[in-house]
Amino acid sequence: DTEVTQTPKHLVMGMTNKKSLKCEQHMGHRAMYWYKQKAKKPPELMFVYSYEKLSINESVPSRFSPECPNSSLLNLHLHALQPEDSALYLCASSQPRTGSDTQYFGPGTRLTVL
Amino acid sequence: GQNIDQPTEMTATEGAIVQINCTYQTSGFNGLFWYQQHAGEAPTFLSYNVLDGLEEKGRFSSFLSRSKGYSYLLLKELQMKDSASYLCAVPGAGNKLTFGGGTRVLVKP
Repeated sequence: DTEVTQTPKHLVMGMTNKKSLKCEQHMGHRAMYWYKQKAKKPPELMFVYSYEKLSINESVPSRFSPECPNSSLLNLHLHALQPEDSALYLCASSQPRTGSDTQYFGPGTRLTVL
Repeated sequence: GQNIDQPTEMTATEGAIVQINCTYQTSGFNGLFWYQQHAGEAPTFLSYNVLDGLEEKGRFSSFLSRSKGYSYLLLKELQMKDSASYLCAVPGAGNKLTFGGGTRVLVKP
């Protein structure tokens, strides 16, 4: 089973709203990732969690707040977003053993900020 | 840092062969990944090369030359469903994946 699930599939929010994106995997992976992808562009890494600890933050604005409650779950809390934050948000997971373990992606959340 | 280049777009006919090239410049090398991504969907893993040579998986093959900083993905017997973006990516420190810009392949009947 190489499934990563994400909810919701689509999200529309205003600039003053607070919302959360959720990601779950049951592959026993201990590294989880958030990526942002704009149309016709490749995914851009936002955050990496390794063994439930934040290991990489790619200078992401503080209006994005990640959380890893346990080894299977990853959240991304959103607050006071801007219209330019509209994008596909992808979650991925992998084993963090060798630094080159395959990352498996979820289907993404399509976010629109009005 | 990492620098990865691949063509933006390629068009081919159903049943034909298409080769998607990827050149990279990296500080350190931990292999190279190829992913397929259909519009609006998640990237799906196709292949991983860490040693020089050709790896074949059904209609898809991937080649790596570490000395040349070069890889290609070969798609044979093209089908309409192969119309997608193909992303090459190299892992860096902390398993951070850096992607090339992606190659959009359009398969025509």
